[in-house]
Amino acid sequence: GENVEQHPSTLSVQEGDSAVIKCTYSDSASNYFPWYKQELGKGPQLIIDIRSNVGEKKDQRIAVTLNKTAKHFSLHITETQPEDSAVYFCAASLSGGYQKVTFGTGTKLQVIP
Amino acid sequence: KAGVTQTPRYLIKTRGQQVTLSCSPISGHRSVSWYQQTPGQGLQFLFEYFSETQRNKGNFPGRFSGRQFSNSRSEMNVSTLELGDSALYLCASSFRVEGAGEQYFGPGTRLTVT
Repeated sequence: GENVEQHPSTLSVQEGDSAVIKCTYSDSASNYFPWYKQELGKGPQLIIDIRSNVGEKKDQRIAVTLNKTAKHFSLHITETQPEDSAVYFCAASLSGGYQKVTFGTGTKLQVIP
Repeated sequence: KAGVTQTPRYLIKTRGQQVTLSCSPISGHRSVSWYQQTPGQGLQFLFEYFSETQRNKGNFPGRFSGRQFSNSRSEMNVSTLELGDSALYLCASSFRVEGAGEQYFGPGTRLTVT
């Protein structure tokens, strides 16, 4: 089955700096890669996603890149703010007549004011 | 538009009992997936329901089951509870037809088994 590895497990940055989280996946058939932000006591919130036919996608301060050949994708957050502090999960999805999502182990991001 | 709702939010059960959790998806969403989240194992896929049919299942024992109703609401049942079933159970809904779709998660049900 699919396996998703995520690094680092914890990340501390100064407010205003950039943060990068990296993930690798094992199944070349995976075709959808969402990123989620989870705050304490809440369910994961979809923040950005990318499909396998796209190499990069940006939404304001957040961007995701995908390298299908190397089977890795990354989340980039620029100009970090204290409210960006949360746990971030990457995921890879196999789909067709079904959707099965495999999550990474999560990165706890702390933005220091 | 209302988000995904899950009931109850918190539940305490005793080992050996059974439990039913409920999930109401976003209006118009036909796909509902369930996940178990624990500190040790992270987020693990349980199963996906689409148009009242289970489309895929994760690597969980048969004690974990679910169903989806014609209004897309879904229930998950765990029988013969074990201490290791203590976790946050999350459901996510999606508008997908074929292929992957954006999933929107509910706040989860925190199950504690004593």
